[in-house]
Amino acid sequence: NAGVTQTPKFQVLKTGQSMTLQCAQDMNHEYMSWYRQDPGMGLRLIHYSVGAGITDQGEVPNGYNVSRSTTEDFPLRLLSAAPSQTSVYFCASSTPRTGGPGGYTFGSGTRLTVV
Amino acid sequence: AQSVAQPEDQVNVAEGNPLTVKCTYSVSGNPYLFWYVQYPNRGLQFLLKYITGDNLVKGSYGFEAEFNKSQTSFHLKKPSALVSDSALYFCAVRDRGDSNYQLIWGAGTKLIIKP
Repeated sequence: NAGVTQTPKFQVLKTGQSMTLQCAQDMNHEYMSWYRQDPGMGLRLIHYSVGAGITDQGEVPNGYNVSRSTTEDFPLRLLSAAPSQTSVYFCASSTPRTGGPGGYTFGSGTRLTVV
Repeated sequence: AQSVAQPEDQVNVAEGNPLTVKCTYSVSGNPYLFWYVQYPNRGLQFLLKYITGDNLVKGSYGFEAEFNKSQTSFHLKKPSALVSDSALYFCAVRDRGDSNYQLIWGAGTKLIIKP
């Protein structure tokens, strides 16, 4: 059981470049989400999905795009990278259990630097 | 508005002493409450959760948390701190009525255990 797998672990981009951060989970979780973590700012939600074909914006969606064509995969696209997008990105998944929610399972993160 | 407050940016405790990391919350309905831990350069790991029942919840690594409805608090505790407990701790809350599985996150508290 791999859990949540994020690739790549590290990435350096030049301003204006685009790229896709990959996230895959093998737990059949309905809910998947992307966060960014910046020093002193905790976790901020970028986009989330409650199932295949359904996505919605979080707190800081600008400059990012997502899609959810399958239950397993939830890629995050940076359309035109900016230095302000330098951050650590985490993907998380979850599913409700009978009688209460399961917690989130997090990937190990992608450290992105935009120069 | 729903929110989570972790009033201390950093908590310093001597090894062997009891520790407390504070969390208070504000949600419109009844909450599910969570604690997560993040070790350096790692993703977040689930520690414990409160769903219903006993107000004292026991979790991983000897941690426990007490749900106090009247004070809207969910403080994390451990009777005897270890140096290896040094990490970043996040409190999170979810409104039971939220069908979108969203967690509201605190800003995190850095716990430093000194030998």
